[in-house]
Amino acid sequence: GQQVMQIPQYQHVQEGEDFTTYCNSSTTLSNIQWYKQRPGGHPVFLIQLVKSGEVKKQKRLTFQFGEAKKNSSLHITATQTTDVGTYFCAGPNNAGNMLTFGGGTRLMVKP
Amino acid sequence: DSGVTQTPKHLITATGQRVTLRCSPRSGDLSVYWYQQSLDQGLQFLIQYYNGEERAKGNILERFSAQQFPDLHSELNLSSLELGDSALYFCASSVSGVYQPQHFGDGTRLSIL
Repeated sequence: GQQVMQIPQYQHVQEGEDFTTYCNSSTTLSNIQWYKQRPGGHPVFLIQLVKSGEVKKQKRLTFQFGEAKKNSSLHITATQTTDVGTYFCAGPNNAGNMLTFGGGTRLMVKP
Repeated sequence: DSGVTQTPKHLITATGQRVTLRCSPRSGDLSVYWYQQSLDQGLQFLIQYYNGEERAKGNILERFSAQQFPDLHSELNLSSLELGDSALYFCASSVSGVYQPQHFGDGTRLSIL
């Protein structure tokens, strides 16, 4: 079945440093979604990318969808303590009836 | 506030017991999804309902079952509970299917003693 992998699993950064998480799917995706889960919280939808090569920005966050629509990345510039949490990517399966989540990247920011 | 309501927030019970988790989706959302998240783990998809009908099944154990009622609220039933079932159970909803963003509830934390 479809697999969605994320690396790294954990990342410690100093406040102000940049951070990137990578997402790879075993199958071509029609779209990719990104979610953030704060410690003790629930996943919150961040963004959806649909087009090949698409790049979207949300303030310090930059999301990219690969040309082959099998990979994606989330880059955070100048991390802040408010960025702490686990970032998940997710993509629909081929049947379009299930969203498969990556294992997540847990970001920890040292002030 | 995501608009998705889950009850109860916490549930403590013993092995062998049966529990029911409840979810009310966001107003206007027809799809409901259930996920299991064990400690520091990812989100494991359990099952999806759309407008009252089962649409997709993930790695859901036979001891688990769910349904979506005419008013679109959903219940997840867990029976013959085992220690390994201790986890956070999230409900999410979306307008229709997996091509729209999912909105998650706060979850039900289930602890099996």
